Amino acid sequence: DAGVTQSPTHLIKTRGQQVTLRCSPISGHKSVSWYQQVLGQGPQFIFQYYEKEERGRGNFPDRFSARQFPNYSSELNVNALLLGDSALYLCASTRRGLEETQYFGPGTRLLVL
Amino acid sequence: AQRVTQPEKLLSVFKGAPVELKCNYSYSGSPELFWYVQYSRQRLQLLLRHISRESIKGFTADLNKGETSFHLKKPFAQEEDSAMYYCALLNTGNQFYFGTGTSLTVIP
Repeated sequence: DAGVTQSPTHLIKTRGQQVTLRCSPISGHKSVSWYQQVLGQGPQFIFQYYEKEERGRGNFPDRFSARQFPNYSSELNVNALLLGDSALYLCASTRRGLEETQYFGPGTRLLVL
Repeated sequence: AQRVTQPEKLLSVFKGAPVELKCNYSYSGSPELFWYVQYSRQRLQLLLRHISRESIKGFTADLNKGETSFHLKKPFAQEEDSAMYYCALLNTGNQFYFGTGTSLTVIP
């Protein structure tokens, strides 16, 4: 198993555009979580999905949305991009919940110009 | 609001010296607490969690509810311990909070 995979690795967008980031969990894991990590800060929790339903949400605006597919992969969508959305976006997977060991992906680095 | 505070952004210790990475939290409920670590050019990974009360790579952390702290300790630092360490909290509302991290450098 390659572990958690994320695509793309890097992305450059301009203000006002929309972006979709993708994550594939470890085989057998049914939960995916998304985090935003701004340079010099710790990861900030955006969402947790389990069995295709949102189970946890951080303090992010409605411009951020996500979904989970029947194969447990997930997409994070950000609309109306702002310069401040520039960050590393991390995905993590667990079998069920956040109380378990979270296995992180390598991240997608988003730059908004 | 929940908050996880790691007061030291940078910490340097000599090899063989004891090391303590501080973590304080603010939460009125019963949190679950974790330490995650990121070694150079590796992914973020779990080091330990308070609920399992285990020792990983010689590190231990005790939850002190009175002081709302979860400091990470190791009696004898090794060069391979150099990494970025994040303290994290899971609340009963299923929200996960990381601290800002402490970069540990073990000097040979």
